[in-house]
Amino acid sequence: AQSVTQPDIHITVSEGASLELRCNYSYGATPYLFWYVQSPGQGLQLLLKYFSGDTLVQGIKGFEAEFKRSQSSFNLRKPSVHWSDAAEYFCAGLTGTASKLTFGTGTRLQVTL
Amino acid sequence: DSGVTQTPKHLITATGQRVTLRCSPRSGDLSVYWYQQSLDQGLQFLIQYYNGEERAKGNILERFSAQQFPDLHSELNLSSLELGDSALYFCASSGREFDETQYFGPGTRLLVL
Repeated sequence: AQSVTQPDIHITVSEGASLELRCNYSYGATPYLFWYVQSPGQGLQLLLKYFSGDTLVQGIKGFEAEFKRSQSSFNLRKPSVHWSDAAEYFCAGLTGTASKLTFGTGTRLQVTL
Repeated sequence: DSGVTQTPKHLITATGQRVTLRCSPRSGDLSVYWYQQSLDQGLQFLIQYYNGEERAKGNILERFSAQQFPDLHSELNLSSLELGDSALYFCASSGREFDETQYFGPGTRLLVL
């Protein structure tokens, strides 16, 4: 079955520190992969996406993610976290044959000042 | 702002009642998706419509139904509501050529008392 796994439920980082959020996928074929962010009481905002090509993708708000086929991973990174980055982050996958997004369980990011 | 609108933002109702959630997709998008976000189930795909026709179905209860109208807006109808139906309901849209990205609306928060 298709699945997306986010191993970390909750991560705390200091403002200015680097960040890496993990995402692993399990699909028969290479899926399209996405990262979304959800601030408290808000909707889901698209941070970045990977369809094919360059395995390092840049997104909004200074985020980037790297697709690694050998590790079935699509980890999200940011070199320097800002307090406003505190939110819940969701990794999601989609294949060409299925319309629905399959979401991970999310990682809640807390930023300490 | 994703360009996807949802109304109402909040809805409080009683068990056994029926409600209708409304979604307007981004201009030009033909597909509308409905997702449910709850604490115990996470983000779950409910149903997809494409240009007025049902395209895919997920974990949607028989008490729930949806439709997409000729102007491409969509409605999700929830009936015989139970306490467990309390959740955040998201609509997303997609459909630009060669782009499978789904853009999410702000959601409707439903509370069943």
